[in-house]
This record gives sequence, structure tokens and C-alpha cells, in this order.
Amino acid sequence: NAGVTQTPKFQVLKTGQSMTLQCAQDMNHNSMYWYRQDPGMGLRLIYYSASEGTTDKGEVPNGYNVSRLNKREFSLRLESAAPSQTSVYFCASSEAGQGLTNEKLFFGSGTQLSVL
Amino acid sequence: AQKITQTQPGMFVQEKEAVTLDCTYDTSDPSYGLFWYKQPSSGEMIFLIYQGSYDQQNATEGRYSLNFQKARKSANLVISASQLGDSAMYFCAMRARGYNKLIFGAGTRLAVHP
Repeated sequence: NAGVTQTPKFQVLKTGQSMTLQCAQDMNHNSMYWYRQDPGMGLRLIYYSASEGTTDKGEVPNGYNVSRLNKREFSLRLESAAPSQTSVYFCASSEAGQGLTNEKLFFGSGTQLSVL
Repeated sequence: AQKITQTQPGMFVQEKEAVTLDCTYDTSDPSYGLFWYKQPSSGEMIFLIYQGSYDQQNATEGRYSLNFQKARKSANLVISASQLGDSAMYFCAMRARGYNKLIFGAGTRLAVHP
């Protein structure tokens, strides 16, 4: 049972390079999310997709773009990486996407990204 | 505005003792849910426990319980009979119905000593 799969697990970029983080879930969930985790700041939402075909900005969207390719896949793109984007990135999904307060998130294992 | 505050950057506890991890929240939405997640050193995020704003009873899941004090806007996690495997980062999170996104606190790192 794979759950939420993120690739790659580790990545080192030079300033200005671009890359795409891939995420796929096999739980038939409607909603998907991208978070970044920085020391002392917890997890902050970058973008989310409440359902296939929709995307919305979270708390820290600057410097990122997303694509909800289909119901299973939600990618995060860094067009021109900056050292401030060094972080651990988590993809997550949740079932209904209907704003239910008990809707828990299922997380991928994370991507550790360093921008030099 | 929605906000989660965890004021304890680090805590330690002796094995087999109980420990309380603090969490306060701020929302004007009357309908919300509170979550605790565990992040061990391996990095994955593990869901522990959930409490809804209208739930009359405090949530419990095995050794985990959530001390929900609505008037004080606090949702503390209590771990009973700590084990070495409980050493991890713990995050409190909230989803308010009108906001529809899960927001996290900064986390508390718990160390369990033998």
C-alpha cells in the first residue's frame, strides 16, 4: 500500500536552476497539498488543490508553481531556485476535500532540497 | 486569522512517565478540528489524534490523549507511560471549517530518557 509517493528524496540545486517535485497518491483522494518544513517554523502550506482541476495558494506560494495533472498527481515546480528555498518539502493528500474539519492528511516521506 | 502556538521547543521525560505537550490555537470559526502529528527522526509524519470543536469528550488513542480546554483555546497532548520510541518531533495542527486548510504549529521536540 504505497499511499503518497514523492520523488526525489534528495536534491541539490544551484541558484537559478529549475526542478519539479513529483507527488502521486493511490488512495483516490480529492485534495492534495504541498508543504515546506523549516526549523522552528513547523510546516507551512505552499499550494493546495482541493479537487482535480483546481489549485490555490497557501501561506508561502512565492517562487513556486503547481500542476494538478490528474486526480493522482500533484507536482511542485521551482522555476529559478533560491537559497531561501532550501527546505524539506512534503506532499500530502486528504479524502473528501469538502472542508470537513476532521479530514486528516496523509503525508509522503518528504524531499530534502538544498539550493547552493 | 488562524494560528497555532507551541511554546515548548524541546521537552524531555523519563521513560515510563507521563508528559504533556502544550498547544494553543486561535480562530474565530466555531467549527474546527485539532490534530497532533508525530515526526520521528526518519522524517515521516504520523497522525496521532484528532479532536473536534464540538466533541464533548476529550479524545484518546491508546497512550495518547488530548486535553481539550475550549475556553482557554488549548489542545494539549498527553502521552502516558513514555517509551523510548516516543522520542520525536510533535506538531499540533488545526483545520477551521471556513479556512479549509490544515495549519501547523512550530513543533515540540520530545526526548525520552531511559
